[in-house]
Amino acid sequence: AQSVTQLDSQVPVFEEAPVELRCNYSSSVSVYLFWYVQYPNQGLQLLLKYLSGSTLVKGINGFEAEFNKSQTSFHLRKPSVHISDTAEYFCAVSWEQAGTALIFGKGTTLSVSS
Amino acid sequence: ETGVTQTPRHLVMGMTNKKSLKCEQHLGHNAMYWYKQSAKKPLELMFVYNFKEQTENNSVPSRFSPECPNSSHLFLHLHTLQPEDSALYLCASSQGQGRNNYGYTFGSGTRLTVV
Repeated sequence: AQSVTQLDSQVPVFEEAPVELRCNYSSSVSVYLFWYVQYPNQGLQLLLKYLSGSTLVKGINGFEAEFNKSQTSFHLRKPSVHISDTAEYFCAVSWEQAGTALIFGKGTTLSVSS
Repeated sequence: ETGVTQTPRHLVMGMTNKKSLKCEQHLGHNAMYWYKQSAKKPLELMFVYNFKEQTENNSVPSRFSPECPNSSHLFLHLHTLQPEDSALYLCASSQGQGRNNYGYTFGSGTRLTVV
């Protein structure tokens, strides 16, 4: 079965510092990768996605992620975080045979303090 | 407002009650989903509907009963729930699959508490 591993359950950082949230997936077939953000008491919002093409993907709110097939990773980065980036971040994977279903990781809580 | 509307936002129900959660999207998407989000657990896929047909039931107990009358509406009927069913229930919709899967649009969820 396909799976997604988010290696860090919590990441505390100071405002304006860079951050990387790690995501690894298990699959030997072509995959499609997504990052979502969830603010308190809200649903999930799509940050960015990799479907094909360039391995560096830029998303909303200044986030970007790099698809690394050899390391089966899709880490999320931001060069300078803000207090408002405090939220839960989810990595998700889909693949051709899965149809439309996404499998999500457990999530990483990003806490930005001043 | 994301384009996917879930009602109610909060629901408290007893174990013998029957209630329903509603999800509505007018994005023209052809697939709709129910996910369960519990504390400290990954999002659990419950049901998938493509073009109103159920294509996946992820071993969900029969006390949860989905209904998809058309491609814009999705319901989750609840009866004789257990306290461990307390969670945030998220509805999502999407269009396309594989390389044409542009990701889900989620609703804000229904916070369910079973007492």
